[in-house]
Formats: sequence, C-alpha cells, structure tokens
Amino acid sequence: GEDVEQSLFLSVREGDSSVINCTYTDSSSTYLYWYKQEPGAGLQLLTYIFSNMDMKQDQRLTVLLNKKDKHLSLRIADTQTGDSAIYFCAETFTGGGNKLTFGTGTQLKVEL
Amino acid sequence: GAVVSQHPSWVICKSGTSVKIECRSLDFQATTMFWYRQFPKQSLMLMATSNEGSKATYEQGVEKDKFLINHASLTLSTLTVTSAHPEDSSFYICSALDALNRAEFEKLFFGSGTQLSVL
Repeated sequence: GEDVEQSLFLSVREGDSSVINCTYTDSSSTYLYWYKQEPGAGLQLLTYIFSNMDMKQDQRLTVLLNKKDKHLSLRIADTQTGDSAIYFCAETFTGGGNKLTFGTGTQLKVEL
Repeated sequence: GAVVSQHPSWVICKSGTSVKIECRSLDFQATTMFWYRQFPKQSLMLMATSNEGSKATYEQGVEKDKFLINHASLTLSTLTVTSAHPEDSSFYICSALDALNRAEFEKLFFGSGTQLSVL
C-alpha cells in the first residue's frame, strides 16, 4: 500500500525559512498536497502540486517535487509564530478517486 | 471558505457504551464525506467513504459493524462507535466533498475532529 513519511518535529526561529520534507512510495500519484492543522481546528489546504510539475510558488510557500526520488518539500519563507502548527503532506493517486493518503505530520514550532 | 462542523470535539465514555459523532457541511451540499482516524504521532487513516443515500464503503480492516456510518442527508454524516472499548480511543476527523462549486484540488473540507477517550 501507499506509505507517506515525514519527520515528526521541526523548530525554527521567527523570520527564518522552514523546510518540511515528505517522502512517498506510490509512483501513481496524481496530486500532492500540503495541509495545515492548528490546535482544535480542521485541516486547511495550503497548496497542492500536480505530479508532473517540479515546483510551485504561492506567496511565502514554495513546493518542490522530485518525482524520481518521490520527495516533496514545503518551504515557508519568513516563518512567523502564526505558522506554528502540524503540517501534513498528502497524495491522491490514479484509481483512488478523491481518497487522500496522509503523511505522519510534522509539528512546526516557531520560536521568537 | 466552506465550513464543516464536527461535534462533539471531545467525548469521554465508559467501556461498552456507544458514541455518535456528527459531521455537518454548513454552507454546501456534500454527497460524499470521509471519516478518518488518527493516533498520536501517526497519520490520518481513512476508515470509510460515506455517500448520501447509500451504504458506506469501508477500508480494509475497518469493522463496519463497529463503526456505523449514516449519511441520510446532503449535509450530515454520522459515525457511531458501537460498544466502545479503550482501544477505540483516538482522534476521529471527517471531511466533506463540495463537488459542485470547487476546483478539483480544493473541494475537500475538514472538520475540527473529535477526541474520543474510552475508560
């Protein structure tokens, strides 16, 4: 089955860039997503990338996809305390419809 | 953006009792809803896909008689954990599909989750 891995925890200083990494095993991914989960709130879609793209930039967010290595990353520029949350990568895949396979989540802590 | 309300957000119950969790789409109709389970430090695992007016589709290894899903209207799906036991303690989260009004990549909206603790 599909397997999506993330590191559990990342700590950065306010103003620095954060890079959250994700590796996956399913080569039939169609779209890859990044979701943000704040305490007591639902998952919020941050951004997504189509599997045939290498990079996508959206304001402070940059998504890089290395399909050969099955590696996805999310870079947050000028990280703020409000960015502290759990970040999940997720994928949909050919034949899976709208089913999302999630990574294990990375807890991002932004320190002053 | 669209809002999905999940209730309750926290429930503690005795072993052997049943617990119902509600998932409502507040400003859109959701023909499809998904139920996930999340253990600490682990990813969200899809339990079942709930379709309005029909039986839910369960993922492999999920007991359908244990986790009853009802999707009787376009805005409400419920998950009932029957005869709950301590091993059912987990974080349950739903998502709803707004298929009509959204771009392909933005049509899933999540509830805020329910933490179930079974004593």
